[in-house]
Amino acid sequence: EVQLVESGGGLVQPGGSLRLSCAASGFTFSSYWMHWVRQAPGKGLVWVSHIYIDGSITAYADSVKGRFTISRDNAKNTLYLQMNSLRAEDTAVYYCARGSGGDCSDWGQGTLVTVSS
Amino acid sequence: EIVLTQSPGTLSLSPGERATLSCRASQSVSTSYLTWYQQKPGQAPRLLIYGASSRATGIPDRFSGSGSGTDFTLTISRLEPEDFAVYYCQQYGSSPPITFGQGTRLEIK
Repeated sequence: EVQLVESGGGLVQPGGSLRLSCAASGFTFSSYWMHWVRQAPGKGLVWVSHIYIDGSITAYADSVKGRFTISRDNAKNTLYLQMNSLRAEDTAVYYCARGSGGDCSDWGQGTLVTVSS
Repeated sequence: EIVLTQSPGTLSLSPGERATLSCRASQSVSTSYLTWYQQKPGQAPRLLIYGASSRATGIPDRFSGSGSGTDFTLTISRLEPEDFAVYYCQQYGSSPPITFGQGTRLEIK
C-alpha cells in the first residue's frame, strides 16, 4: 500500500523558514516523480513544485520560485520542501503526491503551514 | 500558462441523478494529460480519471470522463451519497507543468 506522510508544518512568522518532509513507503520511491501541491484554507488546489526521480530536474510555480527548494533523498525514501522568506499567502495545507505521468496518483494527508505574526 | 475553467461552480443534485461537470482550457490540452480528482472535506484529493477518460484503480464505473482539445467533461451517471464532494480538473503541460481548475462543488439538493 502506498503511503505518504508529510511532516514539518506549523506556525511561522513572515520572513521565516520551514522544511517540510514527506516519508514514502509501499512503492519504489526512486522510480517516481514527486510533487508538492498546496491548498489555502477554503480554496482550491495549487501545484507548487515537482522533482524528477533522481533530482536532476525540478520545476516551481512562479509564486514560490526563488524562495522554495524541492529535494529528495532516495536512500531515505523522503521528499523535502525547503521554504524560505515565507509570506502570509503561503499559508496552506501542503500535500506531497506521487507522480504518474502528469498525474498525482497518490497523496499524503497534508501538513498545515501557517504564516502569521 | 494554460488556465482551466470549471463550470458550474456549484451543482445541486439529488442522489440517483446524473451529474455533468465541465472543464474548459484556455489552450488545447493533450488528452493524455487531462486528469480529474475528487476531494471530500478534510481529506486529500483522490485520483478519479486520467488521460481524460481512463478510470483510476478502484473507481466505480458510474464515473466517466470525455472530451478533447479544450473541452472536457466528467460525468457521474447515478449519484451516490458518497459522491457529493469537490471535483477538480488538472492538466499537465509545459510551463508551469501542472495547473488545476478552480473546482466544482457537487452538493446534495
